[in-house]
Amino acid sequence: DAGVTQSPTHLIKTRGQQVTLRCSPKSGHDTVSWYQQALGQGPQFIFQYYEEEERQRGNFPDRFSGHQFPNYSSELNVNALLLGDSALYLCASSLLQEGDTQYFGPGTRLTVL
Amino acid sequence: DAKTTQPPSMDCAEGRAANLPCNHSTISGNEYVYWYRQIHSQGPQYIIHGLKNNETNEMASLIITEDRKSSTLILPHATLRDTAVYYCIVRPSKAAGNKLTFGGGTRVLVKP
Repeated sequence: DAGVTQSPTHLIKTRGQQVTLRCSPKSGHDTVSWYQQALGQGPQFIFQYYEEEERQRGNFPDRFSGHQFPNYSSELNVNALLLGDSALYLCASSLLQEGDTQYFGPGTRLTVL
Repeated sequence: DAKTTQPPSMDCAEGRAANLPCNHSTISGNEYVYWYRQIHSQGPQYIIHGLKNNETNEMASLIITEDRKSSTLILPHATLRDTAVYYCIVRPSKAAGNKLTFGGGTRVLVKP
C-alpha cells in the first residue's frame, strides 16, 4: 500500500517564476492538505482540499493556489516566487471523518534564487 | 485550537524509556491530542493520538492526565533512530477544521 507521494523531490527556481508541486494521497484517502516548512520551523498550514474544493485556508497570500483532481491527487501552485518561498512543502492526506489522521509525504524542497 | 507547550530539547539514553511531556491546559472537550515526529528533512511521521483514555501502539504509549491538561508520550526503548523533533498537537475531533497547528516541538537526541 503506497503512502503519500510527492513530486518533484527537489526544485530550484528564480524569483518571479511560477512553480507547481504534485501530491498523490494514500490509497483510500479523499482529503489533501498542504503545509510549508521553513528551515528550523514547524510546518505551517496552507490549505486543504476535499471534493475538488478548497475547504480551509491558512494565512497565505493568493499567490498560493491549489487544485484537487477527481482521483484525489492535488497540485500546489505558487506564482511570482519570492526568496522567502524557499521551504519544504509537505502534502498530507486523510479520510474526511471525525478523528481522522493526516499522513504526510516526504515533501518537496523548493529553493528560490 | 488549543496551544501546546513542550520543552525545546531533551536527551535520552539508548535502550531506556523516553518520556516526552506536553502541556495543553486550554484543551477543549472535543479536542484530540496528536503526536508526530520529524526526522531531519523528512515529512512528519504520525505516532499516536488520543482523546481521553491512554493509548498504546507499536511505536509508543500516550498517557493523558485525567483533567486532560497535559500528556506524556512514552517511547519504551529508545533507539538511535528515534532521534527527531517530536510535535504535540491539539486539534478538534470534528471532521471540519482539521488542520494541524505545529509548534516548536521537542528536539530529542538519543545517545548511545
